[in-house]
Amino acid sequence: AQSVAQPEDQVNVAEGNPLTVKCTYSVSGNPYLFWYVQYPNRGLQFLLKYITGDNLVKGSYGFEAEFNKSQTSFHLKKPSALVSDSALYFCAVRVTGGGNKLTFGTGTQLKVEL
Amino acid sequence: GAVVSQHPSRVICKSGTSVKIECRSLDFQATTMFWYRQFPKKSLMLMATSNEGSKATYEQGVEKDKFLINHASLTLSTLTVTSAHPEDSSFYICSARVAGIGELFFGEGSRLTVL
Repeated sequence: AQSVAQPEDQVNVAEGNPLTVKCTYSVSGNPYLFWYVQYPNRGLQFLLKYITGDNLVKGSYGFEAEFNKSQTSFHLKKPSALVSDSALYFCAVRVTGGGNKLTFGTGTQLKVEL
Repeated sequence: GAVVSQHPSRVICKSGTSVKIECRSLDFQATTMFWYRQFPKKSLMLMATSNEGSKATYEQGVEKDKFLINHASLTLSTLTVTSAHPEDSSFYICSARVAGIGELFFGEGSRLTVL
């Protein structure tokens, strides 16, 4: 079975500071990893993905994530947070050859304050 | 990116009535769509996988007769909540995957409130 853990329910950051939203995963096989963002009463928007290749993945809105196989992590990062980044962030995993099913983490609420 | 449209965005209904939610892929064909349910401040729970031209595959614990899914064409899947009750009130989100691309594209979600 595949699973995703987001250990922090909420992350608070001051605008202009770097932000990190943590994600660890557990799969048997090679993972496809994703980050999505959700604004209130909206669907999920795709941010970035790791399939293969470079461990550092760059995505939308200045976000990036680093795939670390030894630590089974895929933390989301941004060098300088904006107030408009405040939203709910989901990490998700799919196993190669495991069909289309995505398993989501429980979500981390990011709050960026002035 | 690909666009998935979901309708209605909000619906309020009386207990015992049925509600239909539509999910359309606007600029691509989707042989497979997914229906999720999201509780407040909680993650997404996959309800079922909708397959064009065949029966949906339901996740364990999801009532097939309660949540009817139809995928009649390559661009449309519908979720019908039958005989709705207040505990069915939730945010329902559909998604679809473009062939050859790993990520899912999500609709904007439908907020169902059953009185």
